[in-house]
Amino acid sequence: TQLLEQSPQFLSIQEGENLTVYCNSSSVFSSLQWYRQEPGEGPVLLVTVVTGGEVKKLKRLTFQFGDARKDSSLHITAAQPGDTGLYLCAGAGNYGQNFVFGPGTRLSVLP
Amino acid sequence: KAGVTQTPRYLIKTRGQQVTLSCSPISGHRSVSWYQQTPGQGLQFLFEYFSETQRNKGNFPGRFSGRQFSNSRSEMNVSTLELGDSALYLCASKWRLEGDTQYFGPGTRLTVL
Repeated sequence: TQLLEQSPQFLSIQEGENLTVYCNSSSVFSSLQWYRQEPGEGPVLLVTVVTGGEVKKLKRLTFQFGDARKDSSLHITAAQPGDTGLYLCAGAGNYGQNFVFGPGTRLSVLP
Repeated sequence: KAGVTQTPRYLIKTRGQQVTLSCSPISGHRSVSWYQQTPGQGLQFLFEYFSETQRNKGNFPGRFSGRQFSNSRSEMNVSTLELGDSALYLCASKWRLEGDTQYFGPGTRLTVL
């Protein structure tokens, strides 16, 4: 069974600070997605990483996929209150396997 | 292109009743997956349909069932509702069956009293 762990579970920071959240597994994934979810809404896709070692940037967000495709990180520079939400990582397995979700990191950015 | 839509957005039922939730995927997407999200368990996979056939199933009791129509729209049914079925039910669609990016709908918030 493929499992994803995320750390930290909760994070509360001040506006302007930097932060990194992690997504780890003992399994290899063909791709990995990061989502942000706000209360009462569905997760919104932020990025998909596919290649080991891949780095993708989305404005102040930087995503990295581990070389072995078992882990990923999300770094936010100069966090803003609008970044507040639940950050979920999800791994896609091989053909026919469903996505596996991590438990999420709940981020609160205080003004 | 319109996103994934789910109806209804909110639903209140009592124990023992049954409920049907609906999901319309992004146009052209043939895979629809259903998830249950609760504060304690997080996002848990229920099942995935592709071309009207169930392709994957999570570890949920038989009270949870689904189907997919020829236009890729999907419905999920929960019979004999229990208090613990209260959750946000999310539908996600993707273009093909194998590992690919999936897009979520806004969810249906089910409350069982």
